[in-house]
Amino acid sequence: DVKVTQSSRYLVKRTGEKVFLECVQDMDHENMFWYRQDPGLGLRLIYFSYDVKMKEKGDIPEGYSVSREKKERFSLILESASTNQTSMYLCASSPPSGTANEKLFFGSGTQLSVL
Amino acid sequence: DQQVKQNSPSLSVQEGRISILNCDYTNSMFDYFLWYKKYPAEGPTFLISISSIKDKNEDGRFTVFLNKSAKHLSLHIVPSQPGDSAVYFCAASAAGGYQKVTFGTGTKLQVIP
Repeated sequence: DVKVTQSSRYLVKRTGEKVFLECVQDMDHENMFWYRQDPGLGLRLIYFSYDVKMKEKGDIPEGYSVSREKKERFSLILESASTNQTSMYLCASSPPSGTANEKLFFGSGTQLSVL
Repeated sequence: DQQVKQNSPSLSVQEGRISILNCDYTNSMFDYFLWYKKYPAEGPTFLISISSIKDKNEDGRFTVFLNKSAKHLSLHIVPSQPGDSAVYFCAASAAGGYQKVTFGTGTKLQVIP
């Protein structure tokens, strides 16, 4: 069964801290994504990666960076956490573009609170 | 700039009746559309999709309709069940390049027993 695992379910951090959110998938998918979900704003794409060591900015990359050293792992980094980064963070993966199945597989999410 | 819009934040429907969730998009390059369902404290799960070469796709109680000229799609759930109560996200992607899926703001559906 397809699985995307996010390392933490809940996280509380202080303003200015460096925060790492980890995501692992076991489906050998090429594409991985980080979204954040906020009330009234839906899911917004932060960064995505289509291959190891490759990354592309999404719609709201400011204040974030990512790392993909291995195919199965995609990390989201908040260099200096701010209160406006309090949100639900969702990791997803998918097979490569051009396949018949373009659906994303999501993890359960990490609720991050920045105080 | 919201390229995928769900103008109804919430919807209440009686059990057994039809639920209709609507979605509008602005980017004419979108050619693949998906609906996801999300329960609280869980990640979204794929529900149904439709390619722009079709105008209808059906899967059990769920049917998605696409009107390309109006840049509008809708999800019909018939009959609605209490377990369908969730937030529904419309999403769209464009062919070519690397896959990037754009989501709408979501509609919270409540099915009343």
